[in-house]
Amino acid sequence: EIVMSQSPLSLAVTPGEPASISCRSSQSLLYSNGYNCLEWYLQKPGQSPQLLIYFGSIRASGVPDRFSGSGSGTDFTLQISRVEAEDGGIYYCVQCLQRKTFGQGTKLEIK
Amino acid sequence: QVQLVESGGGVVQPGRSLRLSCVASGFTFNNYGMHWVRQAPGKGLEWVAVISYEGSNRDYVDSVKGRFTISRDDSKNTVYLQMDSLRAEDTAVYHCVKDLEKYKWNDPLDYWGQGTLVTVSS
Repeated sequence: EIVMSQSPLSLAVTPGEPASISCRSSQSLLYSNGYNCLEWYLQKPGQSPQLLIYFGSIRASGVPDRFSGSGSGTDFTLQISRVEAEDGGIYYCVQCLQRKTFGQGTKLEIK
Repeated sequence: QVQLVESGGGVVQPGRSLRLSCVASGFTFNNYGMHWVRQAPGKGLEWVAVISYEGSNRDYVDSVKGRFTISRDDSKNTVYLQMDSLRAEDTAVYHCVKDLEKYKWNDPLDYWGQGTLVTVSS
């Protein structure tokens, strides 16, 4: 089973400031086609999760361009260039190479 | 508008069975793979199972293999999760989730239902 580890587990950011969340997998998520099988989701309080990023760096439809995903192999990063009040919630990275495995989640608090 | 409505949750004793249902609308159901994802109270998300769009492929998280069965009835736009030999650690809200794109396997998770609560307790 592929194990996913996120850091930090929580962070507090002032609106307008950047934020960064790291995700590490226990084995490489790189496909032979060059894509990484890594997804990012945001679960806002009281809501179902929403897809932000897939294949490591492709923004899902309707996701603001302040969100970006990067990394390859076993190390990945979700960056928010300028945090907004609506970005608060729990962020999860997910590997999709073998079934799916969620990371523990990173709680983003807006100061 | 895509809608996924789960039902069938409740309180059940350890070792007993429960069947969850998820009725889908707003999209061509038989074109999409479907998943079940659960969230224990106060905990993170855990992927549970997936079934392919044509129903021939299924996969499960190791902790439920041999106990849970995912199936679909395209005539009813419904995906099921049969849960046998339930354990206390299966207590969670169970969400059904639609694949992002047609005809794919284990695609990104797109629309989520609101979930149904399963409590396993004596």
